[in-house]
Amino acid sequence: EAQVTQNPRYLITVTGKKLTVTCSQNMNHEYMSWYRQDPGLGLRQIYYSMNVEVTDKGDVPEGYKVSRKEKRNFPLILESPSPNQTSLYFCASSLISGGGSPLHFGNGTRLTVT
Amino acid sequence: GEDVEQSLFLSVREGDSSVINCTYTDSSSTYLYWYKQEPGAGLQLLTYIFSNMDMKQDQRLTVLLNKKDKHLSLRIADTQTGDSAIYFCAERIENNDMRFGAGTRLTVKP
Repeated sequence: EAQVTQNPRYLITVTGKKLTVTCSQNMNHEYMSWYRQDPGLGLRQIYYSMNVEVTDKGDVPEGYKVSRKEKRNFPLILESPSPNQTSLYFCASSLISGGGSPLHFGNGTRLTVT
Repeated sequence: GEDVEQSLFLSVREGDSSVINCTYTDSSSTYLYWYKQEPGAGLQLLTYIFSNMDMKQDQRLTVLLNKKDKHLSLRIADTQTGDSAIYFCAERIENNDMRFGAGTRLTVKP
């Protein structure tokens, strides 16, 4: 089944403790992206990647890192999480076509930083 | 910066039509999308429209695009309780990025 898989679904951690949220897609998509969803703000893009070893900042990159060593994986790294990073995070992927290829989303990771 | 705007809430009765509106500001948008998010789930693509079209119909869903006014709408005919969800409008812009609205929470009352 074609899908985007994020892990974990839920994560509670403390300020300053490094964490990684994994994202994997099995559709051979070039484009991958991370978003955070906060009430009333919709989805805001954190980082995106157009292909392997190519990553770029989105609208809210501060406090986050990503890597794209393989096409299928795009982990999100929080080196020193803070409470303002408590949010619902989504990974998404799509083909690079410039056309109508839509984003496919994972089921989300709810992160709480205390 | 450029924004995609939607009203945050809409409430309708079961069997009525729902109309969710969206405005966008980037005239270079190529595709416009509607996504549905059910509780505890990710966003699922409902439908999309190319920017040179003005209407697309898919079963109970009708998308209308007014490119001059940069206005997009989603009409759901015969709304059911299972349609209760958050609906996101999104535009695809030049660098392949997507820009999302804040989402409209649709509540369907029996």
